Amino acid sequence: DAGVIQSPRHEVTEMGQEVTLRCKPISGHDYLFWYRQTMMRGLELLIYFNNNVPIDDSGMPEDRFSAKMPNASFSTLKIQPSEPRDSAVYFCASSPGTKVWQGDQPQHFGDGTRLSIL
Amino acid sequence: LAKTTQPISMDSYEGQEVNITCSHNNIATNDYITWYQQFPSQGPRFIIQGYKTKVTNEVASLFIPADRKSSTLSLPRVSLSDTAVYYCLVGDPRSSYKLIFGSGTRLLVRP
Repeated sequence: DAGVIQSPRHEVTEMGQEVTLRCKPISGHDYLFWYRQTMMRGLELLIYFNNNVPIDDSGMPEDRFSAKMPNASFSTLKIQPSEPRDSAVYFCASSPGTKVWQGDQPQHFGDGTRLSIL
Repeated sequence: LAKTTQPISMDSYEGQEVNITCSHNNIATNDYITWYQQFPSQGPRFIIQGYKTKVTNEVASLFIPADRKSSTLSLPRVSLSDTAVYYCLVGDPRSSYKLIFGSGTRLLVRP
């Protein structure tokens, strides 16, 4: 059973460039979450989707950030233009929703994308 | 979502039992308590979840007193590989699958 798959694992780019992070959730999961982790701010929820529809994007830092989920098996987080302060590890997670009540765990995380903006 | 408070760091030695306590004074009636573990360069990993009394699985035990204002994660006989950050979260999984992570507890297991 494949877990949440994120790509790329590492990204280094120059300030001002567009960055696209990708996520493939676990098949059958209804919810998808994007997080950002830094030493200063810890693990922050940016946005989450239910059945491909964005539910809460209050954690998105500013208009330079956007997220999409065109289908149940794929999501992107885009930063345009990127800035050095966007450097962080970005995690994607998915949740089986109501199947939590059948013993599944609340959220399954990918291994993250380490983003460095120079 | 209820806010949690846990120690910033803890030290232990291999083979010891480690207990990490989390305070959640404002926990709501429908909230569950969930613990996650995070190793460097990896995403958080689910450990255990409970509502009241005691829950045990192959990895850990979770003790929740009657007032539910705190909980204790117990790791039996830790090894070096248990060195990680441990997060305590509370929330109602029936109304939201959103998780709000605090600062966590950094556990260091020494040989």
